[in-house]
Amino acid sequence: DAGVTQSPTHLIKTRGQQVTLRCSPKSGHDTVSWYQQALGQGPQFIFQYYEEEERQRGNFPDRFSGHQFPNYSSELNVNALLLGDSALYLCASSFKGSSYNEQFFGPGTRLTVL
Amino acid sequence: AQSVAQPEDQVNVAEGNPLTVKCTYSVSGNPYLFWYVQYPNRGLQFLLKYITGDNLVKGSYGFEAEFNKSQTSFHLKKPSALVSDSALYFCALRAGGSYIPTFGRGTSLIVHP
Repeated sequence: DAGVTQSPTHLIKTRGQQVTLRCSPKSGHDTVSWYQQALGQGPQFIFQYYEEEERQRGNFPDRFSGHQFPNYSSELNVNALLLGDSALYLCASSFKGSSYNEQFFGPGTRLTVL
Repeated sequence: AQSVAQPEDQVNVAEGNPLTVKCTYSVSGNPYLFWYVQYPNRGLQFLLKYITGDNLVKGSYGFEAEFNKSQTSFHLKKPSALVSDSALYFCALRAGGSYIPTFGRGTSLIVHP
């Protein structure tokens, strides 16, 4: 049973560029959440997708957008990259995203903005 | 607003000794509390959770945590530490009905041989 997968593993971009990160949830899961983890910090919630819609959003600007596909996979898009966007981006999946269900995390995508 | 505090950036313990990683929280309503572990260059792995019921929760790899409502704490414990337990540990909180989890800053656990 494949767990949560993310691609790419690493990415280097320059300021002002746009980036797309991808995530496939664990089999049987229908909810995908995205997090940003800066060095030395805990994960910060970006948004959650359920039934192909953004259900909840954290304190991130509109430059961060996402999408969920009918097969429950998801993309995170970041426009107009800033140096401060450099971080590990984690995708997590769960079933129905309810508060009491634990999340299963992917290995992350390391984004470096130069 | 909800918040999680992990007051120790690093915990050092000798192999075979008991370990405790501390977590306190603040939330309106019922808390759902989780512990995750992160190994270098890896995503987070779920260890255990408290939703309701017994205050002592048992999880993966011999870890357990005690929910204390009066002290608003959810400390992670293990009776006998292993060198392989060395990793970054995160406490996370969700208020009942909220989809947004709040993570602590993490505690680096170092188990010395």
